[in-house]
Amino acid sequence: DTAVSQTPKYLVTQMGNDKSIKCEQNLGHDTMYWYKQDSKKFLKIMFSYNNKELIINETVPNRFSPKSPDKAHLNLHINSLELGDSAVYFCASSFSYEQYFGPGTRLTVT
Amino acid sequence: QKEVEQNSGPLSVPEGAIASLNCTYSDRGSQSFFWYRQYSGKSPELIMSIYSNGDKEDGRFTAQLNKASQYVSLLIRDSQPSDSATYLCAVNGRSNTGKLIFGQGTTLQVKP
Repeated sequence: DTAVSQTPKYLVTQMGNDKSIKCEQNLGHDTMYWYKQDSKKFLKIMFSYNNKELIINETVPNRFSPKSPDKAHLNLHINSLELGDSAVYFCASSFSYEQYFGPGTRLTVT
Repeated sequence: QKEVEQNSGPLSVPEGAIASLNCTYSDRGSQSFFWYRQYSGKSPELIMSIYSNGDKEDGRFTAQLNKASQYVSLLIRDSQPSDSATYLCAVNGRSNTGKLIFGQGTTLQVKP
């Protein structure tokens, strides 16, 4: 069974559109994260939720809005997509310090 | 100065050799340290974590931490072509909030 899953795997959309990415983990972890990996493969944290509470909110445009309906799910909604938002978005989860990553969502904005 | 620095490589080693990957970090109060392996087009996979000074061994992998020098390394013994990947060093800062700071990664090529 997949431990951390994300949907969709690929997302191609036009500038100005709004899109959402969903993440689910079945590991029983209480903390979930969103990371962005750019074209140079640099991986950077965006947000983190602990048991539905936002605990890390990096300098990210407010077009990005995370939401955690429960501790097993974390969604990312992006408004007014821009070309620079093209990247791979990874969800991760942890119980303690070790973080486990989902398969990623490759977002392409045209 | 970058918070976590790695040589981007590529680091090329012959099959069966020891691959040595290095990482330095800037926050002296950092608490926990991780090595992830990322194959092309795949997600990062946790391979080692280390929290205290010294060596930690797991199979063919050894992580080494020296907090005084702000240095963490990963040794891969008996390197195999399947070890060819990008290795990401990640550091959890002094507050241990779970905010992992990643290096840019070192690409390892193991040649048969």
